[in-house]
Amino acid sequence: DGGITQSPKYLFRKEGQNVTLSCEQNLNHDAMYWYRQDPGQGLRLIYYSQIVNDFQKGDIAEGYSVSREKKESFPLTVTSAQKNPTAFYLCASSTRGPGQNSYNSPLHFGNGTRLTVT
Amino acid sequence: RKEVEQDPGPFNVPEGATVAFNCTYSNSASQSFFWYRQDCRKEPKLLMSVYSSGNEDGRFTAQLNRASQYISLLIRDSKLSDSATYLCVVNGGGGSYIPTFGRGTSLIVHP
Repeated sequence: DGGITQSPKYLFRKEGQNVTLSCEQNLNHDAMYWYRQDPGQGLRLIYYSQIVNDFQKGDIAEGYSVSREKKESFPLTVTSAQKNPTAFYLCASSTRGPGQNSYNSPLHFGNGTRLTVT
Repeated sequence: RKEVEQDPGPFNVPEGATVAFNCTYSNSASQSFFWYRQDCRKEPKLLMSVYSSGNEDGRFTAQLNRASQYISLLIRDSKLSDSATYLCVVNGGGGSYIPTFGRGTSLIVHP
């Protein structure tokens, strides 16, 4: 079955360490996204990518980095520069991305990674 | 003004009740609209797309009002299992496809 896989489900790190969250999809989707959700809050966009080897900053990109070397993979690195990294991180994909004149594609989400930094 | 606004609730209703949520959006050029459901500590899941003519899926009805720039979700005969947060998502408009999420409306269905 096609889908999006995020790993790990839970992640614990010490302050000052970089950590990379994995996101893999086998839906053949062009666009991929990373969101952050804090308790009682909505989803905030960190980074998105329309195509391999290209990505753009979202609303809260500071302290994060991404890569898109393969269509299937869009890992997110939470760096030590991120002031409040503890959160629920969600990866999503869709069939069409920005600028491709197709607005009707809903997002498909992975199960999320819950990151705790102490 | 926020791009996509929802009443956070919670809406507390008895089983069997009918409940409706609205979601307003600021970008008049927005192209597509969705409702997602998110259970506690889980990922959002697509509930239904919202079409211009309105659409229904079982107990759920979604409507779009472009003139007033809002979408609505109506749930009939509420079940305990409908308790969740309902997220409104708006795509497109002004050269941007980026999906924009509302903060969600919390629904609690009690016996």
